[in-house]
Amino acid sequence: SAVISQKPSRDICQRGTSLTIQCQVDSQVTMMFWYRQQPGQSLTLIATANQGSEATYESGFVIDKFPISRPNLTFSTLTVSNMSPEDSSIYLCSARTDRRGAGELFFGEGSRLTVL
Amino acid sequence: LAKTTQPISMDSYEGQEVNITCSHNNIATNDYITWYQQFPSQGPRFIIQGYKTKVTNEVASLFIPADRKSSTLSLPRVSLSDTAVYYCLVVLGGGGNKLTFGTGTQLKVEL
Repeated sequence: SAVISQKPSRDICQRGTSLTIQCQVDSQVTMMFWYRQQPGQSLTLIATANQGSEATYESGFVIDKFPISRPNLTFSTLTVSNMSPEDSSIYLCSARTDRRGAGELFFGEGSRLTVL
Repeated sequence: LAKTTQPISMDSYEGQEVNITCSHNNIATNDYITWYQQFPSQGPRFIIQGYKTKVTNEVASLFIPADRKSSTLSLPRVSLSDTAVYYCLVVLGGGGNKLTFGTGTQLKVEL
């Protein structure tokens, strides 16, 4: 298995500021993903974090708003830029290892972001 | 990827068996069926995955009929701690693919 740690676990931010969320995995993983989950809703995939190259974004998400880095096989960051109250959500990091099946992802506990 | 449909909510009592059914009419030959569990304030947790017939692990059983257009997650003798949201996903086999979560089923277990 893989243990995923996210920082911060929660934060309250002001409109117009940016926040970077860090995701650390305790072992090397092949794939890393970032999801968003708004209160009472399901998870929405933001992007796939690619090691050493630009992330692959899903429809409705752009790099200028959600820049992502993945410098190595165990670490990734997601920045939420120029925040507005609509960005208030839980942001989840997830990862897949080669040792598990195609459908098995490990998730962090999430970073709960509140924008005032 | 095949879209999934599952009940929005279900209620049960401790000690009962709970069966949550998911429809995936457009499932493709290489797709797998996967279920996740999510507790409040936590990330989702993988429960079980299958391709056809029946799969069982220490947590649940997964029943998949021959046509694979639906699947049923079976939780034996639920307890209060099984109260969670359960997501059914269809995943392309072979790895390297993103997972798309549907609406999920909110299971509430009472005494």
